[in-house]
Amino acid sequence: AQSVTQLGSHVSVSEGALVLLRCNYSSSVPPYLFWYVQYPNQGLQLLLKYTSAATLVKGINGFEAEFKKSETSFHLTKPSAHMSDAAEYFCAVTVPSGTYKYIFGTGTRLKVLA
Amino acid sequence: AAGVIQSPRHLIKEKRETATLKCYPIPRHDTVYWYQQGPGQDPQFLISFYEKMQSDKGSIPDRFSAQQFSDYHSELNMSSLELGDSALYFCASSPPGTSGHNEQFFGPGTRLTVL
Repeated sequence: AQSVTQLGSHVSVSEGALVLLRCNYSSSVPPYLFWYVQYPNQGLQLLLKYTSAATLVKGINGFEAEFKKSETSFHLTKPSAHMSDAAEYFCAVTVPSGTYKYIFGTGTRLKVLA
Repeated sequence: AAGVIQSPRHLIKEKRETATLKCYPIPRHDTVYWYQQGPGQDPQFLISFYEKMQSDKGSIPDRFSAQQFSDYHSELNMSSLELGDSALYFCASSPPGTSGHNEQFFGPGTRLTVL
């Protein structure tokens, strides 16, 4: 069965510092993985997705993620945090049948300190 | 660009009442999903439709039902509301050629409060 685990429900970084949000997956087949961001009282916005084309995926707002099969990981990074990055981040994996619904991780709330 | 539209954005109901949430997918998207996000929780899949037919079903209570209409909009009907139904309900849609790598486009959500 597909699942994702996000380590760290809360992460705080200083403005300008590296952002690292962790996601590990479990999948019986090669996975399709996604990172979404959710700002307060808003919907989910896609940051980036892994579809097996390339292991290093670049997304919007300077975020990127690297798929590591050996580590079953898909961690999200950004070299320099900005105050506007403060939000909730969700990692998701698709279930490989039917309409490919998402299974989400429990989310990581990122706080950026001035 | 057109986005997923959900209405209403906010809804307040009493226990045991009914609620209807509406979702208008992005034009030409053929798959619609419903998710429920409780306070401080991750979104949980409820149900999905492909070409107006129910496709997948998640942990959706029997008190809830949903359908997709000929114009592709979808409605989530919730009866005998309970306090625990208070949540943010998201609708998402995805384009034709559904496969695992198709991203889902999310609406802004409907915040349901049950008093």
